[in-house]
Amino acid sequence: QVQLKQSGAEVKKPGASVRVSCETSGYRISSYGIAWVRQAPGQGLEWMGGISAVNRSTNYAQNLQDRVTMTTDTSTNTAYMELRSLRSDDTALYFCARLFEAYYFGSGTYSQAFDIWGQGTMVTVSS
Amino acid sequence: QSVLTQPPSVSGAPGQKVTISCSGNNSNIGNNYVSWYQQLPGTAPKVLIYDDTERPSGIPDRFSGSKSGTLATLGITGLQTGDEADYYCGTWDSSLSVGVFGGGTKVTVL
Repeated sequence: QVQLKQSGAEVKKPGASVRVSCETSGYRISSYGIAWVRQAPGQGLEWMGGISAVNRSTNYAQNLQDRVTMTTDTSTNTAYMELRSLRSDDTALYFCARLFEAYYFGSGTYSQAFDIWGQGTMVTVSS
Repeated sequence: QSVLTQPPSVSGAPGQKVTISCSGNNSNIGNNYVSWYQQLPGTAPKVLIYDDTERPSGIPDRFSGSKSGTLATLGITGLQTGDEADYYCGTWDSSLSVGVFGGGTKVTVL
């Protein structure tokens, strides 16, 4: 059974860093990409970034690219997301999701879907 | 301000059909595949549709996806109380090289 299990809730002070882990099971992490999505309280989904299995590239949201790093450890089938210089507006529920993707070179069309999700990790930033 | 535009809410009576629109441009919806997600209160999102029209196994055929140009649409027929949730469209934006979501649509069953 394919599952993504995330680490527990975190409370951090402004300026600190947080690292959220996402342990995968039921499949080989190197065979699929991993994306990170966050949701502020009462708000919609925000794509943070992801690691593509198609070309092993990493893309980040423009508003986060200076503060975020996403990695995977194939030896433990675990993905990590580190966010630095935390601010109060980083308070959100953070999700990892398996990235189901394909790139069609002829048309330049990209297909991506987040087919399996972790349960979410609440990160609260407060002084 | 989301890159993809969805109506904030739609509603319908049990058994009726509702549609949710998702509007973008040629850099995102017009040239890449769209997926749709259902988020029930207090839970992680679940994929309903991928590649514009495809349903993963286990998703009832009451849910359907379509796309024309830069407009994608999710349809829900035979509306049930259990369909009350937030629905999001998502795709890739080739110009920005980022994933993008719509702002979400709350479905209410009257």
